[in-house]
Amino acid sequence: QSALTQPPSASASPGQSVTISCTGTSSDVGGYNYVSWYQQHPGKAPKLMIYEVSKRPSGVPDRFSGSKSGNTASLTVSGLQAEDEADYYCSSYAGSNNLGVFGTGTKVTVL
Amino acid sequence: EVQLVESGGGLVQPGGSLRLSCAATGFTFSSYWMSWVRQAPGKGLEWVANMKQDGSEIYYVDSVKGRFIISRDNAKKSLYLQMNSLRAEDTAVYYCARYYVWGGVLDYWGQGTLVTVSS
Repeated sequence: QSALTQPPSASASPGQSVTISCTGTSSDVGGYNYVSWYQQHPGKAPKLMIYEVSKRPSGVPDRFSGSKSGNTASLTVSGLQAEDEADYYCSSYAGSNNLGVFGTGTKVTVL
Repeated sequence: EVQLVESGGGLVQPGGSLRLSCAATGFTFSSYWMSWVRQAPGKGLEWVANMKQDGSEIYYVDSVKGRFIISRDNAKKSLYLQMNSLRAEDTAVYYCARYYVWGGVLDYWGQGTLVTVSS
C-alpha cells in the first residue's frame, strides 16, 4: 500500500485560509468515504480533526472542514490561527483486508 | 475520558527484542479494534498493525511481518506489540490507538513510546 500524496508544506497569514490536498487511488481515497485528517504538534501525538471525509469530532473547531472529489481529499482550515501551525496527515481506509494508509504529511505554517 | 498509555520502549541492539504495552481506560476495551502506528524521527506516520476485538483478524505492514506480533488481553484492557529481530529502521515512536473500523479512523491515541535500535 503506497502512501497518499500530500504537499510538503502550506502557509497562510492569520485569518486567511489554507487548503491541503491528499491524493490516493480508487483503492483507497476514491473507493471509500473513509478519509480522516490528523493534526500533530511537535513532540505530541496526532489528534483526530476530521473523519469520514467531512465530519468533525466533538471539540474540533468548525474552522476545520473536509471534502473529497474522486481520488483526492482536501482539508481546509479557515480563519487560520497561530495554534493551527502543525503537521497534518490524511489517512484512508483501504479495504477490509488491509491496514489503513497515511498521507506523506503537510507542514502548515502561519505566517 | 479515553486514555491510552504506552510503555516498554527503550534502547535495544540490532537483532534484539522488545515488548511494548498499552494500557487502556475510559472505554470498553473489548469492543474495539486496536492499532499500532509508528513514526521514525523526523518522518511521517506508518500504520504497523491492526487487531480485531477477539483477535480473530490481525493485519501487519509488510516490513514487520514475521518479526512483530500484536496481541491483547481484554481482561487487563491492554494491547501489546512483541518486536523481534529489530533493525535500525524500526527506530521510531510507537503509538497505540483505538481503531473505529467502520470509519477507518484512529480516534484516540496514546502519547507514544520511543524505541531506539542501535549498537
